[in-house]
Amino acid sequence: DSGVTQTPKHLITATGQRVTLRCSPRSGDLSVYWYQQSLDQGLQFLIQYYNGEERAKGNILERFSAQQFPDLHSELNLSSLELGDSALYFCASSPTVGISYEQYFGPGTRLTVT
Amino acid sequence: GENVEQHPSTLSVQEGDSAVIKCTYSDSASNYFPWYKQELGKRPQLIIDIRSNVGEKKDQRIAVTLNKTAKHFSLHITETQPEDSAVYFCAASDSGGGADGLTFGKGTHLIIQP
Repeated sequence: DSGVTQTPKHLITATGQRVTLRCSPRSGDLSVYWYQQSLDQGLQFLIQYYNGEERAKGNILERFSAQQFPDLHSELNLSSLELGDSALYFCASSPTVGISYEQYFGPGTRLTVT
Repeated sequence: GENVEQHPSTLSVQEGDSAVIKCTYSDSASNYFPWYKQELGKRPQLIIDIRSNVGEKKDQRIAVTLNKTAKHFSLHITETQPEDSAVYFCAASDSGGGADGLTFGKGTHLIIQP
């Protein structure tokens, strides 16, 4: 157990819908990262937040957005869902930025778009 | 941006033998290189990492080497055991630029034959 929690574990929804994935980082970690894992694209970095502020963007679609709240939990919002958005979405956390501290992954949310 | 190539995609070794997985990266600014192990349906689990000021790091049966000049790094597993069977991912990041998202290789499926 990494100490990072994610809900829900599984999510099944239809094309065109919107969903919200939730992540709670390890106690004391200020930085949260979101990754997408699919068979064709592999593990891809989407976005990073540090202490409530957006820190870096990766291959995140405009239909996707995220935020980090004052209690440091983060939410990833996926809208206008397409079949190709079906994937495992992982959240990871680390203590800080600037120095590459280890990133610990949560159990993931499996999203299925039908 | 960073690009990480990983080889081989599948590696089958006899139990007790050694396994070596190799990765190359493109961005000379990258300075942090973690390795993750992922079992089917589970989260990626950090097993070892190395920073650019170190050439080699060892933790029991696992070692990682880094050649910054050639921009490649490798994972070595000795005395392989059945529980080592999993998919292994290498990754790279550049913390100096402030963006700490990891760029992952495509993964190596390690199969330990009894």
